This record gives sequence, C-alpha cells and structure tokens, in this order.
Amino acid sequence: DTAVSQTPKYLVTQMGNDKSIKCEQNLGHDTMYWYKQDSKKFLKIMFSYNNKELIINETVPNRFSPKSPDKAHLNLHINSLELGDSAVYFCASSRDRDSGNTIYFGEGSWLTVV
Amino acid sequence: AQSVTQLDSQVPVFEEAPVELRCNYSSSVSVYLFWYVQYPNQGLQLLLKYLSGSTLVKGINGFEAEFNKSQTSFHLRKPSVHISDTAEYFCAVNGNAGKSTFGDGTTLTVKP
Repeated sequence: DTAVSQTPKYLVTQMGNDKSIKCEQNLGHDTMYWYKQDSKKFLKIMFSYNNKELIINETVPNRFSPKSPDKAHLNLHINSLELGDSAVYFCASSRDRDSGNTIYFGEGSWLTVV
Repeated sequence: AQSVTQLDSQVPVFEEAPVELRCNYSSSVSVYLFWYVQYPNQGLQLLLKYLSGSTLVKGINGFEAEFNKSQTSFHLRKPSVHISDTAEYFCAVNGNAGKSTFGDGTTLTVKP
C-alpha cells in the first residue's frame, strides 16, 4: 500500500492553463505538506496543513491554492501556469506538527509547462 | 531562524570506499536533525534522525551520523558504499513546529 500517493505523476501543459495535483495519505497523519523541487534539486516547502487548517504558507504566488477537504487529502491547484512553475511537486505528511516527526514523501508529480 | 548548509554539492567515490557527507546547521532554538535520501525519480525517504540522547545515530542501509553541538554539524558517514547508494542526500533541520528546512542536497555517485 502506498502511504502517500499523488496524481498525476507526469503533467505536461501549456502556459496559461490551470491544473491540479491531488494527494492522499493513508497513514492517519494529521499534518500534510506541499514541497517544490526545482531543476537543481533544491527543495522548498510551499504549504502545510494540520487537520485541514493552513499552518504554513511560504512566499508562494497566489496562483497556487492548496485545498484540504479532510486531513487525509491535500490538493494543489495552480492557475495561469508559467514556465517557471515547471518542477517536481512533492506531497508529504507527518504524524502531527511536532518537530521530531519524520516526513513521509509521495513519489512526486513532474510538471512541465511549455 | 534556521538554516542548513551541505558543504559538498557532489561527492564521487569508488565502490567499497568510505564516504562522509557534510552538513552544518544554524538555529536559534533546540533542533532536530534529519538525513533523507532520494533515489532517481522517487520521493525522499528517511535515513536517520537525531532527536536527543546519544550523539551517534545509526540509520538504514549502514549509514550513521554524528551530532556535534559545538560545531553545529551533523555529518553522514558510511564505512563502505555500494553502487546502489548512488542518490541525492538531503540534510534537514526542524526547529519550529511543523517546519523543516532542507539543505541544497549532495549528489553521491558511487563508481565501480
């Protein structure tokens, strides 16, 4: 069973389009995240939710909007896609907000904007 | 504020040789320290973590790391690497509730 699963795995789309990436975790965790990994492999947190409540919102363009319908799901919607949005987006989860918890990552969603 | 510096962006090494991947951190609060590994086209997975107690931490796949508070370091070591250890390695620090800061990664390439 996949602990953190995200879809789609690959996404190629044109500039200006709107797209969504879905994420689900079956670990019973309270906290979920979205990370962005660029072409140089740098990994940056974008958002974090704890029990459906937004707790971390880094400096991310407001074209990016996360939504958490329940604590097992955290989706990412991106409006008006730009070339610079091309990256790998990782969904992740942890048991709760405690800083000692391990973060469990999904396999990633490869977004290419052309 | 917290930050992580991985001192080597690329580390090439021959199979069965020892390896050390270096990580320094800074934080204004007590920290928890992690090493994650990312194999090609996969997500990150935990290698090991330091929360408290013994400063020498053992992880999966024969890796270990030593927490050095005075030098603010958390270097990762393996006495004998395999081809399958070729991957990207990330050091991370958690100082604030729910927020991890990752280093820029070290690419370990094990050559036959």
